[in-house]
Amino acid sequence: AQKITQTQPGMFVQEKEAVTLDCTYDTSDQSYGLFWYKQPSSGEMIFLIYQGSYDEQNATEGRYSLNFQKARKSTNLVISASQLGDSAMYFCAMRGGDYGGSQGNLIFGKGTKLSVKP
Amino acid sequence: DGGITQSPKYLFRKEGQNVTLSCEQNLNHDAMYWYRQDPGQGLRLIYYSQIVNDFQKGDIAEGYSVSREKKESFPLTVTSAQKNPTAFYLCASSPYSSGANVLTFGAGSRLTVL
Repeated sequence: AQKITQTQPGMFVQEKEAVTLDCTYDTSDQSYGLFWYKQPSSGEMIFLIYQGSYDEQNATEGRYSLNFQKARKSTNLVISASQLGDSAMYFCAMRGGDYGGSQGNLIFGKGTKLSVKP
Repeated sequence: DGGITQSPKYLFRKEGQNVTLSCEQNLNHDAMYWYRQDPGQGLRLIYYSQIVNDFQKGDIAEGYSVSREKKESFPLTVTSAQKNPTAFYLCASSPYSSGANVLTFGAGSRLTVL
């Protein structure tokens, strides 16, 4: 069975510093995708960054980057130069199964609540 | 602007009543999804649909029903058979349901059973 584990229920970071949010996953699939979403207090889910299992380089999107370690089955999110607006819940998610088939849905972790201190 | 519209944002229901949550998208996406979120938890899949007039059960489909009569619309009915319906419900869509396709989410509907 596929599973996403986020072991940090909450994290604090000082404004302008970097922070790493941990995520490990479990799957027997060879081909899969890993996603990170941000959920502010308003509730909507905002896509941040994606990493494919065959991507050789770590994904980056602006201040967001992934530390993807395939052998360890981990994909940690690094947020550089934290801003007050980064305070939110962060969810790691995985899409596995047959990429060409019907099981293309996302499986989510329980999330990490990030609080940025001024 | 393209996006997903969920309504109502807040909904109160008495026990034994069915309620329907609306989800409309103008992104021309083929796949649509309903997720449930409980406090301190991640999202769990209720139903998903890849094409019109077809849908599949997710991990927690019991007590819910859906329809997909139009590409743009994927309403969710929370029936009286759902024993613990109080939760935050999120609708999402994607161009198709595999690969690197990113899910776009609506703003959510919060259902409270009185």
